[in-house]
Amino acid sequence: RKEVEQDPGPFNVPEGATVAFNCTYSNSASQSFFWYRQDCRKEPKLLMSVYSSGNEDGRFTAQLNRASQYISLLIRDSKLSDSATYLCVATSGSARQLTFGSGTQLTVLP
Amino acid sequence: EPEVTQTPSHQVTQMGQEVILRCVPISNHLYFYWYRQILGQKVEFLVSFYNNEISEKSEIFDDQFSVERPDGSNFTLKIRSTKLEDSAMYFCASSGIQSYEQYFGPGTRLTVT
Repeated sequence: RKEVEQDPGPFNVPEGATVAFNCTYSNSASQSFFWYRQDCRKEPKLLMSVYSSGNEDGRFTAQLNRASQYISLLIRDSKLSDSATYLCVATSGSARQLTFGSGTQLTVLP
Repeated sequence: EPEVTQTPSHQVTQMGQEVILRCVPISNHLYFYWYRQILGQKVEFLVSFYNNEISEKSEIFDDQFSVERPDGSNFTLKIRSTKLEDSAMYFCASSGIQSYEQYFGPGTRLTVT
């Protein structure tokens, strides 16, 4: 069974902290990887795609290690509004079917 | 910014009834998807649709489920005879031809009683 595994947390961090989330995927044929965020009872919102070379978007940095089948997300200078569940996602089978991890819950405290 | 829309936001139905969930994907997208999320569980893939036909479906997407693009804008998911275990949040998503990034609608919460 093709899975994406994440530490469920919860992670409780103070404002301004740096926090890192990790994820592993079991399907070596996965081609594309993403981080989504999901607020309580809302839809998953695309945060960023993850590329082999690593990529950064403001305070967010994502890394992919294909050899270890490992994906990470780093959030710097965390804000109260970053509080959400972060979903690690990999494609399965074709590039158009997404497999979601169970999510890591983050709470940023004032 | 273009977005995926879904109606209704909440649907309550009795076991055995048929329901149709509606979605309007982003206008220039050509791939459409349905996912579901049972409360407290992972988001699960149901089906993908391209060029007016199903391109992939999961084990969950059995004969009780069907999808259709009845016109140029809507994309629907029909559940023929609902069961209690169909209660979940159903998300529609769409993506463009050159990108694998999928954008999700706000979801329809289906409650089967």
